[in-house]
Amino acid sequence: GQNIDQPTEMTATEGAIVQINCTYQTSGFNGLFWYQQHAGEAPTFLSYNVLDGLEEKGRFSSFLSRSKGYSYLLLKELQMKDSASYLCAGVDSNYQLIWGAGTKLIIKP
Amino acid sequence: GAVVSQHPSWVICKSGTSVKIECRSLDFQATTMFWYRQFPKQSLMLMATSNEGSKATYEQGVEKDKFLINHASLTLSTLTVTSAHPEDSSFYICSARRDVDYEQYFGPGTRLTVT
Repeated sequence: GQNIDQPTEMTATEGAIVQINCTYQTSGFNGLFWYQQHAGEAPTFLSYNVLDGLEEKGRFSSFLSRSKGYSYLLLKELQMKDSASYLCAGVDSNYQLIWGAGTKLIIKP
Repeated sequence: GAVVSQHPSWVICKSGTSVKIECRSLDFQATTMFWYRQFPKQSLMLMATSNEGSKATYEQGVEKDKFLINHASLTLSTLTVTSAHPEDSSFYICSARRDVDYEQYFGPGTRLTVT
């Protein structure tokens, strides 16, 4: 079956760095998305990885290892506004998104 | 670019009535659109995949006669919740998959409250 695993909740301190891990099992693989979702709002796009390696976009970076079925989202210089849920989604061979349950990130001052 | 709109943003209706939610890709074509439902503190749950010009594909457990989907053009899909009940109260989100590169863009969501 297809499955996406990510931690349910994480806590970090303002100004620090946090890494949110995601492991995936999909029927075929056409990339992996990370989305940010604030409570009561729709998800917003953060990153898309289809090749191995690290992609950096400002304070956020995303890493993919296809051989390990593993990705992580790295958030640096955490700000209070980064408190949100972070959703990992794999793209299967039919280009369907397989969603993780999301990781709730709590930022403390 | 790549904007998806949903209308209405929120709606309150009485039990037994029907509600139509529109999803539009404003500046790109989307042969395929997806409808999700999200209950509080839970992840997105895919309800159905909407394809322009053909019948929608519903996920297991989603009643196709209750949640009517029409994808009449390359930029518009509609979800009609028929005979709504309080348990249908939820946050409904659509996403449109851009034809040129298959990237998905989400609408802002529609909050439905059934009284």
